[in-house]
Amino acid sequence: QVQLVQSGAEVKEPGSSVKVSCKASGGTFTSYTLTWVRQAPGQGLEWVGGIIPTFGTVHYAQRFQGRVTITTDESTSATDMELRGLRSDDTAIYFCAKGAVRLRLSYFEQWGQGTLITVSS
Amino acid sequence: DIQMTQSPSTLSASVGGRVTITCRASQSINHWLAWYQQKPGRAPNLLIYRASALESGVPSRFSGSGSGTEFTLTISSLQPDDFATYYCQQYETYPLTFGQGTKVEI
Repeated sequence: QVQLVQSGAEVKEPGSSVKVSCKASGGTFTSYTLTWVRQAPGQGLEWVGGIIPTFGTVHYAQRFQGRVTITTDESTSATDMELRGLRSDDTAIYFCAKGAVRLRLSYFEQWGQGTLITVSS
Repeated sequence: DIQMTQSPSTLSASVGGRVTITCRASQSINHWLAWYQQKPGRAPNLLIYRASALESGVPSRFSGSGSGTEFTLTISSLQPDDFATYYCQQYETYPLTFGQGTKVEI
């Protein structure tokens, strides 16, 4: 079963960018939805964007359009999420997750451990 | 976008009690709905998919029902480990959307 391991916590200044990595081990992921979800302190889950690497098309939540880029690297079994123009309200735990069904939009059965991104001057 | 509305936002229950959480979609999502449990500082954990299918390893006291726009998650006999926050999520279409969460308290 695939395990997802994310990069470590970071503190960023407002206006800067951050890239969070998620590496899959123990299985393949290219045919499955890979998604990013964030959770601000004390708040609920918010979908950021996702991709099925086989298809290559990336979907983003409207509120992040233009500020976020999700990429995958099949050679390293990794997916990255870059968020630019950071603001204090981007402070959150960012999770990657892998879909359960091949080649279609899916629910998520494997999750990374989460990466805390703190935006502060 | 499809809006997912959960109710209640918080509920208090006792060990051994029966708990029902409702999730309503702003338009039909057929049966493309999942339920997750989340504990503080942890990633969400899948409980139910396709509205009523129990994920492997999840205790049978959890069950899901519904289709279209109205769904429920039921915990038949609440255990101490079940005190957590529960989220529904639709995967009918992009953008994926979650309910706002229901916190189950003692």
